[in-house]
Amino acid sequence: NAGVTQTPKFQVLKTGQSMTLQCAQDMNHEYMSWYRQDPGMGLRLIHYSVGAGITDQGEVPNGYNVSRSTTEDFPLRLLSAAPSQTSVYFCASSYGEGKRITDTQYFGPGTRLTVL
Amino acid sequence: LAKTTQPISMDSYEGQEVNITCSHNNIATNDYITWYQQFPSQGPRFIIQGYKTKVTNEVASLFIPADRKSSTLSLPRVSLSDTAVYYCLVASYSSASKIIFGSGTRLSIRP
Repeated sequence: NAGVTQTPKFQVLKTGQSMTLQCAQDMNHEYMSWYRQDPGMGLRLIHYSVGAGITDQGEVPNGYNVSRSTTEDFPLRLLSAAPSQTSVYFCASSYGEGKRITDTQYFGPGTRLTVL
Repeated sequence: LAKTTQPISMDSYEGQEVNITCSHNNIATNDYITWYQQFPSQGPRFIIQGYKTKVTNEVASLFIPADRKSSTLSLPRVSLSDTAVYYCLVASYSSASKIIFGSGTRLSIRP
């Protein structure tokens, strides 16, 4: 299994540009989520999904959109990039068995995004 | 929301046992306590999870007192490779929006 994969690893955008960060997992996990991590800080939850077709907002959803058309993929879209969105973005997934969706989240390697 | 408080940093030496304590005074009945480890430029990695008393796996032990207002991650005989940031988080299985990562504890292990 490849686990959780994220592309691209690095990205530089100009203010106002849009882009999609890709996340995929091959573990048949129901639960997937996106976090951002600013320098020296902990992770903050952006959006999450408990299954295909179901998404919800986390702590810091503004400026981001998500969709979950398949179990495997959970892309994160930046609608109009701003310098405040410069961060490292992590995607995570977990089984969600018995509704214990906090069990053992597997994280991807991250995407380092810089917005100029 | 159950917020956690951890020491910002800790230092120790190879071969020592390291205990990192996390406070979560507002923990709810349905909340579980989970610890993650994060190395630079990597995503966090699950270490251990518990609800009450003591949990042990091949990597660490987790001690949770009866009132569950705190928890202690115990790393036996640390090595240089245990240098990382450790996050304590409290979350309910009923709502993913309650998953809050604090700032973590930066653990530095010296030879």
